[in-house]
Amino acid sequence: LAKTTQPISMDSYEGQEVNITCSHNNIATNDYITWYQQFPSQGPRFIIQGYKTKVTNEVASLFIPADRKSSTLSLPRVSLSDTAVYYCLVAARANNLFFGTGTRLTVIP
Amino acid sequence: NAGVTQTPKFRILKIGQSMTLQCTQDMNHNYMYWYRQDPGMGLKLIYYSVGAGITDKGEVPNGYNVSRSTTEDFPLRLELAAPSQTSVYFCASSYSGTGRNTGELFFGEGSRLTVL
Repeated sequence: LAKTTQPISMDSYEGQEVNITCSHNNIATNDYITWYQQFPSQGPRFIIQGYKTKVTNEVASLFIPADRKSSTLSLPRVSLSDTAVYYCLVAARANNLFFGTGTRLTVIP
Repeated sequence: NAGVTQTPKFRILKIGQSMTLQCTQDMNHNYMYWYRQDPGMGLKLIYYSVGAGITDKGEVPNGYNVSRSTTEDFPLRLELAAPSQTSVYFCASSYSGTGRNTGELFFGEGSRLTVL
């Protein structure tokens, strides 16, 4: 299983862009990079998934450099409702998805 | 479209009791999963299923059993409950699991279990 390393916590003010970087030095050729968001007392929710370069959807962007040893989740103009734990996962098979402790993002008014 | 539904939401068990956590999904997903999440920790995979009649162990299967008789349902049974099984349990499903990517997992709202 590809191990990931991400910051334990981050603080940001409302309206700012937040970038959360995840390190995955031993990513395998078939692995995809996926980010999930979890609010207290709820199950995780899928945010975005990518393999290489840049992926963008209506809520976030995912930047993956050519060597794929890291990835950055970018949340544009965060609001208080974005306060949550964000998980970076690297796997080729869904049963190999490893949810670490994630990054606890706190958005400050 | 209800998605993934878990019952019960809360349960208190005495040591040694047994119980079943129910999970059902209405998205016709082949893949289903059970995770547990201890306070302040990430999720750990207990069991998963790639289709009706097929189940396999995840990272922390000891003390649990599963069955998958239909596509919709994936119950998790706790035998001889222990305090170490106090946790929040999440059921999830996905359309794909071993295809070109890991697919999107859809999670239920969780079942909070306390063993005293």
